Amino acid sequence: AQSVTQLDSHVSVSEGTPVLLRCNYSSSYSPSLFWYVQHPNKGLQLLLKYTSAATLVKGINGFEAEFKKSETSFHLTKPSAHMSDAAEYFCVVSDPSGTYKYIFGTGTRLKVLA
Amino acid sequence: KAGVTQTPRYLIKTRGQQVTLSCSPISGHRSVSWYQQTPGQGLQFLFEYFSETQRNKGNFPGRFSGRQFSNSRSEMNVSTLELGDSALYLCASSLGRVDNSPLHFGNGTRLTVT
Repeated sequence: AQSVTQLDSHVSVSEGTPVLLRCNYSSSYSPSLFWYVQHPNKGLQLLLKYTSAATLVKGINGFEAEFKKSETSFHLTKPSAHMSDAAEYFCVVSDPSGTYKYIFGTGTRLKVLA
Repeated sequence: KAGVTQTPRYLIKTRGQQVTLSCSPISGHRSVSWYQQTPGQGLQFLFEYFSETQRNKGNFPGRFSGRQFSNSRSEMNVSTLELGDSALYLCASSLGRVDNSPLHFGNGTRLTVT
């Protein structure tokens, strides 16, 4: 069965410092992985997706994530945080066995300090 | 290309009433999923429709139902509303034909039950 764990429920960084949001997954197959961002009272917006091509995936707004099969991780990073990055972030794995199910992490709330 | 459109944006209902929420997917997307988001329970999957058929279902009582029309638009209905049904209801669409197609979310309907 697929599962995804976001290791931190809250992360605080200062503006201009690097961001690291951690995600570990469990999958019997080669998974597809996604990161989404949600600003208050909005829907989820796709940041990036991994679908077994390049292991380093670049997304929107300067975010990127690296797929590490040996560590079953898909951590989200950004070199320099901006105030507008303050939001909740979700790591998602899709079940590749034909069920078309998506499993969501519990979310990481990112706070950016001025 | 227009995004996922959810109507209405806000709803206030009284306990015991019923409510219908609407979702128009991105053109060409045949899968529509519904999620309930609350501060306490996080993001929970309700159901998914593909080509007018319910393909996946979450663990919600029968008071929650949905349907999809031939143009892929979807509605969800909640009958006999309870205070605990107050939540942000999110709709997401995808191509639905491959496992790794990302979900695209609308901005949600905020339902308040008094």
